[in-house]
Amino acid sequence: SQQGEEDPQALSIQEGENATMNCSYKTSINNLQWYRQNSGRGLVHLILIRSNEREKHSGRLRVTLDTSKKSSSLLITASRAADTASYFCVKETSGSRLTFGEGTQLTVNP
Amino acid sequence: SQTIHQWPATLVQPVGSPLSLECTVEGTSNPNLYWYRQAAGRGLQLLFYSVGIGQISSEVPQNLSASRPQDRQFILSSKKLLLSDSGFYLCACRTPIYGYTFGSGTRLTVV
Repeated sequence: SQQGEEDPQALSIQEGENATMNCSYKTSINNLQWYRQNSGRGLVHLILIRSNEREKHSGRLRVTLDTSKKSSSLLITASRAADTASYFCVKETSGSRLTFGEGTQLTVNP
Repeated sequence: SQTIHQWPATLVQPVGSPLSLECTVEGTSNPNLYWYRQAAGRGLQLLFYSVGIGQISSEVPQNLSASRPQDRQFILSSKKLLLSDSGFYLCACRTPIYGYTFGSGTRLTVV
């Protein structure tokens, strides 16, 4: 299956530090998306990177994609307590199918 | 832009009772619609998807069913809930213009 592997499963940092989350996948993708979820609520789309892109930025977020290694990373710079949430790496494959990873629980301590 | 309305936000139901969760979409037409379930501390699992009225595909065998009586309405149902049906259910839609949008979710607890 296209289940994504995400690491770490949990990450605890201090406010102001950077947070890096990684995601790997097994088969080819159309694009890879990162979502954020607060305490079992709806998902918020953060950023989408297409398979022919290597890096994208959005505010304090930076996403990289290495298709040769089938991996992606999400970097949140200068983290804030409000960044505390679960972050999901989501792969979109042919047929517009989405596959979610297990997620990384990020805790930013004030 | 497209928006999704999903209700209720929380639901506590006894084992063996029926279930009906509704999801409606605004701001677009002919979307693909999806129901996902998230078990505690896990990623989301696709349960059903629909590419049009009356067209439902099931991803995993289970105690649930889905229906799409109108273009922008997607319903998740069960005749008799099991304890294992507890979880967080998300409705999503996708269109070529707006991509994916997720609802706010329903937390179902079967007791």
